[in-house]
Amino acid sequence: DQQVKQNSPSLSVQEGRISILNCDYTNSMFDYFLWYKKYPAEGPTFLISISSIKDKNEDGRFTVFLNKSAKHLSLHIVPSQPGDSAVYFCAASARNQGGKLIFGQGTELSVKP
Amino acid sequence: EAQVTQNPRYLITVTGKKLTVTCSQNMNHEYMSWYRQDPGLGLRQIYYSMNVEVTDKGDVPEGYKVSRKEKRNFPLILESPSPNQTSLYFCASSLYLAGELFFGEGSRLTVL
Repeated sequence: DQQVKQNSPSLSVQEGRISILNCDYTNSMFDYFLWYKKYPAEGPTFLISISSIKDKNEDGRFTVFLNKSAKHLSLHIVPSQPGDSAVYFCAASARNQGGKLIFGQGTELSVKP
Repeated sequence: EAQVTQNPRYLITVTGKKLTVTCSQNMNHEYMSWYRQDPGLGLRQIYYSMNVEVTDKGDVPEGYKVSRKEKRNFPLILESPSPNQTSLYFCASSLYLAGELFFGEGSRLTVL
């Protein structure tokens, strides 16, 4: 049972445009959500997180939106740059219950010059 | 520099030949974990450890063993590797169970 789903395996965007990566979850107990970025031949690195008490968190060009009623979160990258080309994983946990991080399948973003 | 170090980075082996992938972190983290990454399946947890001498199965533990004798080290052991264990493996650590994970650079294992 996949509790965290990223239904788009890949996404291609033009440089300067907005990239929107989506993630859905099924467990209503999840209260903490993160996005990780992974370049080839490297380990995933933390990008941005959001707690369930918020619906938006922004860090520079990266913004994460959380819609709890829809059990959906999204990562917006504006403007997209070629260096953003990577695989993006969303992850979720039921932090208040001591739950571990559950990862989605990942979305490969390609930003074309 | 805070880091998670895993070795080897690349390994080609044959079915049945025991191997160990080492993992070490220098951040004094309590929690460590192993993941495998396969196309279309994302990151799946193999085993995790909450502290020294405390380990537990993740989602895909079959065919793997771990140990946590020291806080900084968390080796992954494949006693009798099989081709379906060909994968990209990541070790990770964090201050606590659901905290921000710090990942190693990955170990690409091929079992022939």
